[in-house]
Amino acid sequence: QSVLTQAPSVSGAPGQRVTISCTGSSSNIGAGYDVHWYQQLPGTAPKLLIYDNSNRPSGVPDRFSGSKSGTSASLAITGLQAEDEADYYCQSYDSRLSGYVVFGGGTKLTVL
Amino acid sequence: QVQLVQSGAEVKKPGSSVKVSCKASGGTFSNYIITWVRQAPGQGLEWMGRIIPILGITNYAQKFQGRVTITADKSTSTAYMELSSLRSEDTAVYYCANLKLFTKTYAMDVWGQGTTVTVSS
Repeated sequence: QSVLTQAPSVSGAPGQRVTISCTGSSSNIGAGYDVHWYQQLPGTAPKLLIYDNSNRPSGVPDRFSGSKSGTSASLAITGLQAEDEADYYCQSYDSRLSGYVVFGGGTKLTVL
Repeated sequence: QVQLVQSGAEVKKPGSSVKVSCKASGGTFSNYIITWVRQAPGQGLEWMGRIIPILGITNYAQKFQGRVTITADKSTSTAYMELSSLRSEDTAVYYCANLKLFTKTYAMDVWGQGTTVTVSS
């Protein structure tokens, strides 16, 4: 059971907009800790996609955007492309745990 | 830009140990915080622990306390993750990553390519 909750799957047609949600609690996202997002293409290592809720590392297309509100965060992908088909993970910090990293369970994005 | 290169795939017997290496290049090792994350087949990401090589300070996820040891050799810019008392459920891809502090929380900005560890009798 992951500390952060994500829907297992989401799908969309090319060109559409999809959102992936990440729900936490008062000890992590709700406590003001920032959320980061990773994209994991099939058979590859994860890649940092969004940091600090809404910032894109250099090289990440502006089709990817993030937001945070209350105890939840969201990743939005506009102009969906076939190469966006991947697993997406949210990550933050939880003050009740001894570690520095907590993940969501991941959401598989299928491009129809 | 820092690069992390991990050691090759391992096949281990239940009850044994495995030690995976992660060699850093392209940056200053003393500036890194190396963390380890694993991913079982078809499953999500699971954080295992981290080390601050310049200080030798380690932190481990509660689940792995007592079974995982993360070390670092500053002279070779290499971090290691050793997992003992292996069982079949430890079959996974193990990743090292650089843990970077952004505004308030850490995130993994550079990843190794992953090392597959298979535990089988």
